[in-house]
Amino acid sequence: DSGVTQTPKHLITATGQRVTLRCSPRSGDLSVYWYQQSLDQGLQFLIHYYNGEERAKGNILERFSAQQFPDLHSELNLSSLELGDSALYFCASSPTGTEFGKLFFGSGTQLSVL
Amino acid sequence: TQLLEQSPQFLSIQEGENLTVYCNSSSVFSSLQWYRQEPGEGPVLLVTVVTGGEVKKLKRLTFQFGDARKDSSLHITAAQPGDTGLYLCAGRLSGNTPLVFGKGTRLSVIA
Repeated sequence: DSGVTQTPKHLITATGQRVTLRCSPRSGDLSVYWYQQSLDQGLQFLIHYYNGEERAKGNILERFSAQQFPDLHSELNLSSLELGDSALYFCASSPTGTEFGKLFFGSGTQLSVL
Repeated sequence: TQLLEQSPQFLSIQEGENLTVYCNSSSVFSSLQWYRQEPGEGPVLLVTVVTGGEVKKLKRLTFQFGDARKDSSLHITAAQPGDTGLYLCAGRLSGNTPLVFGKGTRLSVIA
């Protein structure tokens, strides 16, 4: 158990809909990263938050947004969903100090857009 | 284009065999990590290498960072069915940049 909690584990929805994925990082970790994993693209970095502030953006579509709340949990919002958005979405948290740079991943949310 | 290229994409071997998987790039990385991912789970960190030429061992797994910090390899000795999984390499171009992942090598060890 990595200590990172993601909900829901599975999500099935229709094109055009909007969904919210939730992530609770490990206790004490201030950094949260979101990644998208698909068979053809592999793990793609989406966005990084540190202590509530956006720190880096990767290949994140404009239809997607994220935020990190004061209690450090994070949400990834996906809107106007398309078939191609079907993928595994992972959240990872990272500590500071001596373990800086290590990513601890949740079990992911499998999104299916029909 | 993928910043980190992993090879082979797929590998199926018999229990007890040795194997090496590779992670290559034309870019220099400040650090490189290897993860293993099993079905239905997120990647789990195996090792971090930061110095060119560095070799780290984790039981039957040996990780090497290339001298120029552009490539890495993972060698497994006497593979076991429990080694089955997706092996991912990931690198940082500089200290605080996000981790970039390769597409992985899917290993199957048959008993």
